[in-house]
Amino acid sequence: QVQLQESGPGLVKPSETLSLTCTVSGGSVSGNNYYWNWIRQPPGKGLEWIAYIHYSGDTNYIASLKSRVNISIDTSKNQISLKLSSVTAADTAIYYCARDSSSFDAFDMWGQGTRVIVSS
Amino acid sequence: DIQMTQTPSSLSAFVGDRVTITCRASQTISKHLNWYLQKPGKAPSLLIYAASNLQSGVSPRFSGSGSGAEFTLTINSLQPEDFATYFCQQSYSFPSTFGQGTSLEIK
Repeated sequence: QVQLQESGPGLVKPSETLSLTCTVSGGSVSGNNYYWNWIRQPPGKGLEWIAYIHYSGDTNYIASLKSRVNISIDTSKNQISLKLSSVTAADTAIYYCARDSSSFDAFDMWGQGTRVIVSS
Repeated sequence: DIQMTQTPSSLSAFVGDRVTITCRASQTISKHLNWYLQKPGKAPSLLIYAASNLQSGVSPRFSGSGSGAEFTLTINSLQPEDFATYFCQQSYSFPSTFGQGTSLEIK
């Protein structure tokens, strides 16, 4: 059974860079049919897709964050990482790692999420 | 970006009731519509993909229908574990977008 586990700092100061990691177990990030995504959910709000990456290196980002965000993949560690620079309070959210399977064209596996608070 | 609008935003029902949640897209998305359930403090989980396909392991009390720009999620014979928040999501065009959610509460 594939499992996704996010990790992150919990608390980040405004203007700093947020770094998050998603570790995949029970399966490989190198599967050709999978895109790996970061999705966030601000407190009490809905879901916002942020970025995806394929093990081939194909990436894409939401336009509103494109200048501040970078997604990467480490196939040797089976991890997907997200970096978000110049954070503000508006970046406070639960950040989820999710797998998009071409079999479903949907996010079929999710991590439990990591809570990030931006505060001085 | 395609806007996804769910109605209602909240809903109260009794155990055993049948409920329907609607999701409308700002443009046609064929059948590229997925439904998720999110329980408090938990990650979303996939219920239905491609508008009407039940994800493996999901109760057949859940069903989805629709195409184009209007979709529905129906839950038959509500059980206590069904009281949660439901989201729709379009995978038709980039970027993928979600509805704002429908909170289903016990009456």
